[in-house]
Amino acid sequence: SYVLTQPPSVSVAPGKTAKITCEGNNIGGKGVHWYQQKPGQAPVVVIYSDTDRPSGIPERFSGSNSGNTATLTISRVEAGDEADYYCQVWHSNSDLVIFGGGTKLTVL
Amino acid sequence: QITLKESGPTLVKPTQTLTLTCNISGFSLSSRGVGVVWIRQPPGKALEWLALIYWDDDKRYSPSLQSRLTITKDTTKNQVVLTMTNMDPVDTGTYYCAHRKTGWGMFDYWGQGTLVTVSS
Repeated sequence: SYVLTQPPSVSVAPGKTAKITCEGNNIGGKGVHWYQQKPGQAPVVVIYSDTDRPSGIPERFSGSNSGNTATLTISRVEAGDEADYYCQVWHSNSDLVIFGGGTKLTVL
Repeated sequence: QITLKESGPTLVKPTQTLTLTCNISGFSLSSRGVGVVWIRQPPGKALEWLALIYWDDDKRYSPSLQSRLTITKDTTKNQVVLTMTNMDPVDTGTYYCAHRKTGWGMFDYWGQGTLVTVSS
């Protein structure tokens, strides 16, 4: 089965840049989506199809995907960005949905 | 405006069958390309995809839970229903339904989630 691996936690100071990785076998060949989930709330997509940003999501959020690693980058981090972040792919071979284990972003 | 809302029991006993309903609005379950999924999240843990149903009634299930899951839809009632048999305390968590963005593999609208506790 296809597995997505994320670091359990990432810490960053306000105003700095946070990078959250998502590793998977040849993930660069798949479309990766990123969700932000704050406590007690449903997830919200912040990046889809590797690099696209839904309307309403700040430009500070960006994504990249190549080889075996996809990356969510949050520039000029704010306190309000503190949340859990999940990557997700559609495993087209089997038409199944795969989520990463999630990364807790802490703003110091 | 697309909305989804989950409903169902908050407490079920071990070995019982869980039935959850997702009431949708703002889109049609019979429109070409539409898909709705169920996703769950144990307390403090990661998201886990459970099942998917397409507009044409095609269905997909998580391989690890396939034997226990059934997803159906009622287009006239605008509902998607998930049943999970033989519930266990490890199935405790928040259950979400979500809309698959047509033509994409991501979920752009989510319900608020419903917490299900499995305990005797």
